[in-house]
Amino acid sequence: AQKITQTQPGMFVQEKEAVTLDCTYDTSDQSYGLFWYKQPSSGEMIFLIYQGSYDEQNATEGRYSLNFQKARKSANLVISASQLGDSAMYFCAMRDTGRRALTFGSGTRLQVQP
Amino acid sequence: DGGITQSPKYLFRKEGQNVTLSCEQNLNHDAMYWYRQDPGQGLRLIYYSQIVNDFQKGDIAEGYSVSREKKESFPLTVTSAQKNPTAFYLCASSISSSGQGARREKLFFGSGTQLSVL
Repeated sequence: AQKITQTQPGMFVQEKEAVTLDCTYDTSDQSYGLFWYKQPSSGEMIFLIYQGSYDEQNATEGRYSLNFQKARKSANLVISASQLGDSAMYFCAMRDTGRRALTFGSGTRLQVQP
Repeated sequence: DGGITQSPKYLFRKEGQNVTLSCEQNLNHDAMYWYRQDPGQGLRLIYYSQIVNDFQKGDIAEGYSVSREKKESFPLTVTSAQKNPTAFYLCASSISSSGQGARREKLFFGSGTQLSVL
């Protein structure tokens, strides 16, 4: 069964606007971690932000924030003030106690328009 | 600078040939991973290793083999049994993949190897 679902294959946003990338996950564990990575056209994976299942506050890292809704099992990434350099693939990933490696979603391609 | 080095950047395989992708890290990380990425898709786990001389199969291990003789190195061999090897291969490492804090451990990635079939 798929553990990470990203339902938006592609998204467009105007420069300087905010955008939300959706991610839902499935796990029966109480302890797990959620990650977001950015993959530019160069192919390298860049870590953006982490949210632990027991963290009481939503994670923030600069222009990135995570809208974590535990009961709904969603961990949406919010990018504020989009920049042209934000155009890339974005992947949501999870690690729970049943797996010692990250499980990735299928990704969302974000295009920032001037 | 510390990091993960994958080589070569591009690799071509002939029919019936085994090829080996290199992955070296100088981050002193215990855990290493191999992922496969097909165009427009997410990453799928091939193999991972939590410690030297130990490794486990991931979701798509058939047609691949690995070794972990040194902490720094985790080469991936794509064998002739892998009938559809064309993909982008990413190597990653993390400080650890076990223990209480393991769920927080982010992965550090190399720049990838694009493998194509001639």
